[in-house]
Amino acid sequence: RKEVEQDPGPFNVPEGATVAFNCTYSNSASQSFFWYRQDCRKEPKLLMSVYSSGNEDGRFTAQLNRASQYISLLIRDSKLSDSATYLCVVNSLTGFQKLVFGTGTRLLVSP
Amino acid sequence: ETGVTQSPTHLIKTRGQQVTLRCSSQSGHNTVSWYQQALGQGPQFIFQYYREEENGRGNFPPRFSGLQFPNYSSELNVNALELDDSALYLCASSFSGGTVGEQFFGPGTRLTVL
Repeated sequence: RKEVEQDPGPFNVPEGATVAFNCTYSNSASQSFFWYRQDCRKEPKLLMSVYSSGNEDGRFTAQLNRASQYISLLIRDSKLSDSATYLCVVNSLTGFQKLVFGTGTRLLVSP
Repeated sequence: ETGVTQSPTHLIKTRGQQVTLRCSSQSGHNTVSWYQQALGQGPQFIFQYYREEENGRGNFPPRFSGLQFPNYSSELNVNALELDDSALYLCASSFSGGTVGEQFFGPGTRLTVL
């Protein structure tokens, strides 16, 4: 079983739609969680950290459910520029900052 | 831009050859991590360097090796290249003691092995 699992998509949505991505992780002792965004043929960039209390940044909301080992990302009012791959990332407990990435979920926002 | 640079941008090699990829970390960052990203996959951790020492390694064979220099720049060396080594190689810099998990990625080196 992969340490971080995501639905690869693609998710095809029209502009203005709300879309949600989910991710599960296998290491119950993991403590830090993130969403990174990766544009086609570009490097990953940190989108937001994910906290147990949930956090929001503009149109983006991230949630963490430790009991279910489940992380989500909600994007409201989708824009064409949101088209990208969204990577679910867990900071592995190895004594140093090793990031474990999911395969990514591809989002395509159409006019 | 993150301030992390990598060279070269693209590289084509043949099986059995050796390759060296380079990374300059963001100013103020003392830790460099290397990742391999195959097509359609998420980045996979290769290893991490802190204070010129390897302080963590992923599930990669010994023919993947690295160095970190006093200015915190880094090299990734791959010997005896195999076709499956074709991938995007990403370098990420961070500050040990900074925000956990916040790593800043360079643009990557796209390696093709023929």
